[in-house]
Amino acid sequence: AQTVTQSQPEMSVQEAETVTLSCTYDTSESDYYLFWYKQPPSRQMILVIRQEAYKQQNATENRFSVNFQKAAKSFSLKISDSQLGDAAMYFCAFDTSGTYKYIFGTGTRLKVLA
Amino acid sequence: DVKVTQSSRYLVKRTGEKVFLECVQDMDHENMFWYRQDPGLGLRLIYFSYDVKMKEKGDIPEGYSVSREKKERFSLILESASTNQTSMYLCASSSLGTSGTYEQYFGPGTRLTVT
Repeated sequence: AQTVTQSQPEMSVQEAETVTLSCTYDTSESDYYLFWYKQPPSRQMILVIRQEAYKQQNATENRFSVNFQKAAKSFSLKISDSQLGDAAMYFCAFDTSGTYKYIFGTGTRLKVLA
Repeated sequence: DVKVTQSSRYLVKRTGEKVFLECVQDMDHENMFWYRQDPGLGLRLIYFSYDVKMKEKGDIPEGYSVSREKKERFSLILESASTNQTSMYLCASSSLGTSGTYEQYFGPGTRLTVT
């Protein structure tokens, strides 16, 4: 069975500092996609960043970047220069290519301290 | 921008009531999903639909049913609400994008309390 694990239920970071959220997954597939979603308090969940498994280069979106280690089945999210607006629940998700069903992790609540 | 709307942000129902949660998307997406979000459990898929009148069970379909009569609308039905169905319900839609994958777009959620 395919699984996604987020081992950090909660994390804190000082404003302007860098924080890394961890995600590991388990699959026997070779072609798949990985995502990080952000759910701010009382607001809609939005996509932060995606990574195609066939791409070796780590995805980057402004202050957000990933460290994708395919052999280790690890997909961590790094947030640089953290801002108060980054405070949210962050979910890691996995999508096997050819399907459209995601498997989500249990989430990491990120607090940003002023 | 894709917009996914849900009929209610907050809903309070009594045990045994029939409950309808409505979801509408405006981007002509083929796929629509209903998730349940509980602390420590993440998002769990209840049902999804890949076309009008087509549906498939997700991981936790017991106690729920769905209806998709029109492409833009996907309804979740609790036939007889129970207290263990108190939760946040999220609707999402997706279609194959230029990235080669199905990016999901979420609604704001409905927080359902069953008393």
